[in-house]
Amino acid sequence: DAGITQSPRYKITETGRQVTLMCHQTWSHSYMFWYRQDLGHGLRLIYYSAAADITDKGEVPDGYVVSRSKTENFPLTLESATRSQTSVYFCASMMQGGEKLFFGSGTQLSVL
Amino acid sequence: ILNVEQSPQSLHVQEGDSTNFTCSFPSSNFYALHWYRWETAKSPEALFVMTLNGDEKKKGRISATLNTKEGYSYLYIKGSQPEDSATYLCAFDRYKLTFGKGTLLTVNP
Repeated sequence: DAGITQSPRYKITETGRQVTLMCHQTWSHSYMFWYRQDLGHGLRLIYYSAAADITDKGEVPDGYVVSRSKTENFPLTLESATRSQTSVYFCASMMQGGEKLFFGSGTQLSVL
Repeated sequence: ILNVEQSPQSLHVQEGDSTNFTCSFPSSNFYALHWYRWETAKSPEALFVMTLNGDEKKKGRISATLNTKEGYSYLYIKGSQPEDSATYLCAFDRYKLTFGKGTLLTVNP
């Protein structure tokens, strides 16, 4: 039972580079989310998806792009990484609203 | 941006103490309220999801109540243990979950 997996676990990149963080879930959950964790801000929503090919912005979407061509995958791309995007990124999924959210293990991203 | 507030920001208690925290959220267009437990170096794990006004949930020594009309939820921990030390998050669910900043609980042995 793999659940929800994120890769890579750790990533170091340079400003201006494109970076893609991967998220894969095996439950066929409809909803998937990307959050970033920052000191003093808690978890902030970047993007979410209600189903394949349906995505919407969260609280802090600038500088990020998502896609969801398949239900099980929800990659997050930083088009041109900036130092302010250094953070821990969590992917999460749930079957539908009002049900529990399941989190991946997180990706620690450092932009130098 | 939805405003989800948690208080206190942090809390230190002694082993055996009972404690509670508050989550405030918008009272309009309510769908569900979640509570999560987040231990250091791990991922958040769900405790409860509550959907009805007056809902009460219990899991061992942890319980939660919900008041959707006034927009608040309480999380209670009875007889705190050191292993209860964690950050407790609430999240307002209106199809996308908006989290509060959490309450950091430290239980001293």
